[in-house]
Amino acid sequence: EIVMTQSPATLSVSPGERATLSCRASQTVSSNLAWYQQKPGQAPRLLVYGASIRANGIPARFSGSGSGTEFTLTISILQSEDSAIYYCQQYNKWPPLTFGGGTKVEIK
Amino acid sequence: VQLVESAGGVVQPGGSLRLSCAGSGFIFNSYSMHWVRQAPGKGLEWVAIITYDGSKTFYADSVEGRFTISRDDSKNTLYLQMNTLRPEDAAVYYCARSGMFLHYIDYWGQGTLVTVSS
Repeated sequence: EIVMTQSPATLSVSPGERATLSCRASQTVSSNLAWYQQKPGQAPRLLVYGASIRANGIPARFSGSGSGTEFTLTISILQSEDSAIYYCQQYNKWPPLTFGGGTKVEIK
Repeated sequence: VQLVESAGGVVQPGGSLRLSCAGSGFIFNSYSMHWVRQAPGKGLEWVAIITYDGSKTFYADSVEGRFTISRDDSKNTLYLQMNTLRPEDAAVYYCARSGMFLHYIDYWGQGTLVTVSS
């Protein structure tokens, strides 16, 4: 099973600043990595797949990068509505599909 | 695209429950489908997948042998039969659609709460 590790657990960022979230895989997942955003009481929403491809309707301030075992989600200009938990997920080697433990982004 | 799960419920340990999920707004039998769960205050856990044609199913170790995923394409409906439920199965269960060719999840249902308690 591929273990996904996200850091930091919590990130506190001021509006307008950049937020950088990390995701590490225990073995290579190539570019088969997705990012999701989950707000309280809501279902997750797909932000990025293929490590760097924004999903339909996702604002350009969200960008993904990386390949192999190291990945980053960057929110370039943080807005108040970006307060959420962000999860990464690998789909390179399965079953099981595996998620990271999440990074909570708080607005200062 | 819409995915609408049936109501969950409260089940005693050892009991059974079947969840359903109605899909609309897309060609249901063209997509593999998942169940993903989230225990209260916890992260996301993948549960099961069924391929677009229903020919293959795969499960997380934690539910293998107790849960069964199935689909009825004539009704555009996905199912999860959960047997021998344990307290640790308590969670919000999400029905979810796979990307067309790769298994990221591009659409999620609203989730349904399953409580396992005596």
